[in-house]
Amino acid sequence: EAGVTQFPSHSVIEKGQTVTLRCDPISGHDNLYWYRRVMGKEIKFLLHFVKESKQDESGMPNNRFLAERTGGTYSTLKVQPAELEDSGVYFCASSQDTVEQYFGPGTRLTVT
Amino acid sequence: AQSVTQLDSQVPVFEEAPVELRCNYSSSVSVYLFWYVQYPNQGLQLLLKYLSGSTLVESINGFEAEFNKSQTSFHLRKPSVHISDTAEYFCAVSDPYGNKLVFGAGTILRVKS
Repeated sequence: EAGVTQFPSHSVIEKGQTVTLRCDPISGHDNLYWYRRVMGKEIKFLLHFVKESKQDESGMPNNRFLAERTGGTYSTLKVQPAELEDSGVYFCASSQDTVEQYFGPGTRLTVT
Repeated sequence: AQSVTQLDSQVPVFEEAPVELRCNYSSSVSVYLFWYVQYPNQGLQLLLKYLSGSTLVESINGFEAEFNKSQTSFHLRKPSVHISDTAEYFCAVSDPYGNKLVFGAGTILRVKS
């Protein structure tokens, strides 16, 4: 069974540019989560999809972040325009039963 | 609201020595508790979890953690560490409804030969 995959593994962009991160969950997992870790701090929750619906987006930092989940399969997280403080590692996780979450390897975003 | 405190940011230890990584949590509701591990250049992996039942839970690679409700703790222990245990360890909680995980800041375990 393939695990959670994330693309790209690393992205370097300039302030003001746009970046789109992608997450492919484990097949059959209806629950998909995005988290972020900024500069060695805590890993923080961003949002939770159940199928294609946003269950909880209380962790989204501002309206520069847009998350979508097409047809309840893969998800994208767009940052537009990117700011320096958006640098960090973005993790995606998926879950079948909402208890045990399986994490992807993360996307390291560097905004210069 | 829930919160997690990992009391040590780094723990250096010699190979074959015992280790304890401390985790305390705060929550107004009952919780599920987890330890995740991130090896160098890899993603997060679930190490062990407490959902209910026996307060002592074990992983396949010799780690164990004990849920202590009165002290609101979920410390991770291993009686004898290996070089390969070098990694960052994260304690996390969630509510029983399976929503978001709340993580501690992480503890870097450095095993020295």
